[in-house]
Amino acid sequence: GQSLEQPSEVTAVEGAIVQINCTYQTSGFYGLSWYQQHDGGAPTFLSYNALDGLEETGRFSSFLSRSDSYGYLLLQELQMKDSASYFCAVPGGATNKLIFGTGTLLAVQP
Amino acid sequence: DAGVTQSPTHLIKTRGQQVTLRCSPKSGHDTVSWYQQALGQGPQFIFQYYEEEERQRGNFPDRFSGHQFPNYSSELNVNALLLGDSALYLCASSLANPVDTIYFGEGSWLTVV
Repeated sequence: GQSLEQPSEVTAVEGAIVQINCTYQTSGFYGLSWYQQHDGGAPTFLSYNALDGLEETGRFSSFLSRSDSYGYLLLQELQMKDSASYFCAVPGGATNKLIFGTGTLLAVQP
Repeated sequence: DAGVTQSPTHLIKTRGQQVTLRCSPKSGHDTVSWYQQALGQGPQFIFQYYEEEERQRGNFPDRFSGHQFPNYSSELNVNALLLGDSALYLCASSLANPVDTIYFGEGSWLTVV
């Protein structure tokens, strides 16, 4: 089967840096994506890693190590609006069906 | 350019009833997928439609069915509703190419009582 594990909750303060980890077990691998979801609204695409290494997009960066079946999302200069749920996800085969992780609820405190 | 739109946003149904949820994909997108998201969990893939046919299906019973129209919009139908069907139902649109970004709608909150 396929599964992705994330910490359930993370708390940090404004201006800090936080890392959200994701470990996965998949049959075949086509890359790791990250999504942000506020209060049960629309999940919003943040980043995608197909190859090992770090991808940077503004305050957000995402890292992938395929040999370790591991990735993380790094959020810098945290803002209150970053309080949300974050999901890692992998394509379920060579299609754009997504398999989501368990989700991490990030609480940013003043 | 409208994104993915879904209707209704909220609805309440009784056990045993049937429900239809609707989705219009982002302009230019031809592939629509439906996901079920229970409270506190990640979205679970229900099925995907491309060229008006179901292309892939997740681990959901036959009570869950769908349809895609020639304009690429889609419907999700759930028959014989159970309390456990209460969830946020998300529609996602994309192109058929698996590396393209997937866009989600705001979802339809279904409560079964």
